[in-house]
Amino acid sequence: GDSVTQMEGPVTLSEEAFLTINCTYTATGYPSLFWYVQYPGEGLQLLLKATKADDKGSNKGFEATYRKETTSFHLEKGSVQVSDSAVYFCALSVTGYSTLTFGKGTMLLVSP
Amino acid sequence: EAQVTQNPRYLITVTGKKLTVTCSQNMNHEYMSWYRQDPGLGLRQIYYSMNVEVTDKGDVPEGYKVSRKEKRNFPLILESPSPNQTSLYFCASTAIGAGAYEQYFGPGTRLTVT
Repeated sequence: GDSVTQMEGPVTLSEEAFLTINCTYTATGYPSLFWYVQYPGEGLQLLLKATKADDKGSNKGFEATYRKETTSFHLEKGSVQVSDSAVYFCALSVTGYSTLTFGKGTMLLVSP
Repeated sequence: EAQVTQNPRYLITVTGKKLTVTCSQNMNHEYMSWYRQDPGLGLRQIYYSMNVEVTDKGDVPEGYKVSRKEKRNFPLILESPSPNQTSLYFCASTAIGAGAYEQYFGPGTRLTVT
């Protein structure tokens, strides 16, 4: 079946540090890929998405590139802020369907 | 404002006492689903619905029921809750189609079963 594997956390960084959260996937068919973010006490929000190979999703300074050859969708940000502290979920959906398969989530803690 | 609402936000109950968590969306979405979130396990889908009167099991349906009598509502029913159903529950909705549509999540319901 479909699955998503992302690096375990917590990831602890100082403000303005570079962030990478690794995500790899296994899927039948040709999935769309997503990163969702969950701030403390809130539901999940879509951060960015990519629908085909070599697409780059970007939002709020975060980026991720759909790499079909390595089945990866790593999340990056050049300079993190304290306000980026949250749990980040990588997810996929097989094209044409709406069900999401999530990774286990990676907590990011950014200190001043 | 486009949103998914859930009630209640917090619930403490006892084993065996039936409960319902409501979910409503105002975006005319066809697809709705329920997830539970547990530490170290991420989000796992409980049930989903592709439209009115169409529901199907997700990855962890045991001990739960759902219904979809109206397009906007998708309640989650625990007929005899047990402590292993203590969790954080999220309802979500999205449009159906060939595109990569965003799923909208509710704020969550934290359930404790003693």
